[in-house]
Amino acid sequence: QSALTQPASVSGSPGQSITISCTGTIRDVGGHNFVAWYQQHPGKAPTLIIFDVSNRPSGVSNRFSGSKSGNTASLTISGLQAEDDADYYCSSYTTWSTWVFGGGTKLTVL
Amino acid sequence: QVQLQESGPGLVKPSQTLSVTCSVSGDSMNSDSYYWNWIRQPAGKGLEWIGRIYTSGNTNYNPSLRSRVTMSVDTSKSQFSLKLTSVSAADTAVYYCARGVVVVATGYFNGMDVWGQGTTVTVSS
Repeated sequence: QSALTQPASVSGSPGQSITISCTGTIRDVGGHNFVAWYQQHPGKAPTLIIFDVSNRPSGVSNRFSGSKSGNTASLTISGLQAEDDADYYCSSYTTWSTWVFGGGTKLTVL
Repeated sequence: QVQLQESGPGLVKPSQTLSVTCSVSGDSMNSDSYYWNWIRQPAGKGLEWIGRIYTSGNTNYNPSLRSRVTMSVDTSKSQFSLKLTSVSAADTAVYYCARGVVVVATGYFNGMDVWGQGTTVTVSS
């Protein structure tokens, strides 16, 4: 299985919105709706922010939203805040009953 | 509130076997709603899923690591473990354990909702 494709970096100013893409294949992202997104601050463990493409765990801000079209999933963060400055990883279940992560995207809040 | 805590050797010599354990506290492991994962992250790089184990003992492994990985679970101790054989410098990483959620009624996988803080394992002579 190959890692999902994410942009290496994105940036935005406070208050703006940004979108991070996550491209896979019909064997993972395009094959079902088990796509999750994780946020990771430096030196910390990842935390789950989106599951099943577009669902937020309890306690996660509604500024985070997810979607999917074909083999590409997307994470949108609206109303950017300084605390959103972090790395973001997508993850998808695969047809082989495994999970695969994207390469990660570094979000810089300018 | 469930918590996960990894423990490991810190340093492993090349060609030897890496062993790490994850201790689960605050909730029982004995639920069909959960499965238990290992993920690793080399310094400055991305996440790599290593595999998962259910309390039944059923496992799924990353195909790229399958020949070297063994996972086990001991619910009496609320622990699950990872063994990685024939290690090299490429296996140097922070190793995380994480709880995966599955909705039994639908079979939906709801991501990995609880993670340990990670344990650093360095492979070096």
